[in-house]
Amino acid sequence: QITLKESGPTLVKPTQTLTLTCTFSGFSLSTGGVGVGWIRQPPGKALEWLALIYWDDDKRYSPSLKSRLTITKDTSKNQVVLTMTNMGPVDTATYYCAHSDILSGYYMGHWGQGMLITVSS
Amino acid sequence: EIVLTQSPGTLSLSPGERATLSCRASQSVDSTYLAWYQQKPGQAPSLLIYGASSRATGIPDRFSGSGSGTEFTLTISRLEPEDFAVYYCQQYGRSPLFTFGQGARVEIK
Repeated sequence: QITLKESGPTLVKPTQTLTLTCTFSGFSLSTGGVGVGWIRQPPGKALEWLALIYWDDDKRYSPSLKSRLTITKDTSKNQVVLTMTNMGPVDTATYYCAHSDILSGYYMGHWGQGMLITVSS
Repeated sequence: EIVLTQSPGTLSLSPGERATLSCRASQSVDSTYLAWYQQKPGQAPSLLIYGASSRATGIPDRFSGSGSGTEFTLTISRLEPEDFAVYYCQQYGRSPLFTFGQGARVEIK
């Protein structure tokens, strides 16, 4: 059974750096084809893909946010970490991590419960 | 950069009726790379359809997907009370790597 869970601060101040951790079980990020991605959703708005890291450490970023994002993995701990610099009020959103396996298909098959991050002074 | 436009934005229907949701891409999308998700209030999205027309595990057959190129459709043949939710289409591959549509709400009339 695949599970993912996001953790991190729920409140960050403007200009600060956000660090989110996705802790997962039920799969290994060293298995070929597997990736873990981050998606966010501002309150009442649509989903926005942010970043994804593959089993081979290939990293992909949203072009519009690339300069602010860094994604890393710790395979031994079953964790993926996303950092986003220079946070602002528009970054207030629920942040999800999700599992992807390109050997099965090109989608996010399993999602974490999400974590609401509020940016406010 | 590819854009996915969903229509209508909101669909007001009664249980038992048929729902047809559209997803139009600004560039051609390989159907292998088109998926649909359902999101209920307060919950994470869940996968419904992948490869444009394949149902994910456990998804009832009242849900079906079709389309190719720039036009894709999600159809719910007979709405059940639990189907009233927001639906998103998603493409993979063209920059950005993943793109979601803006969502379409199916609400109870």
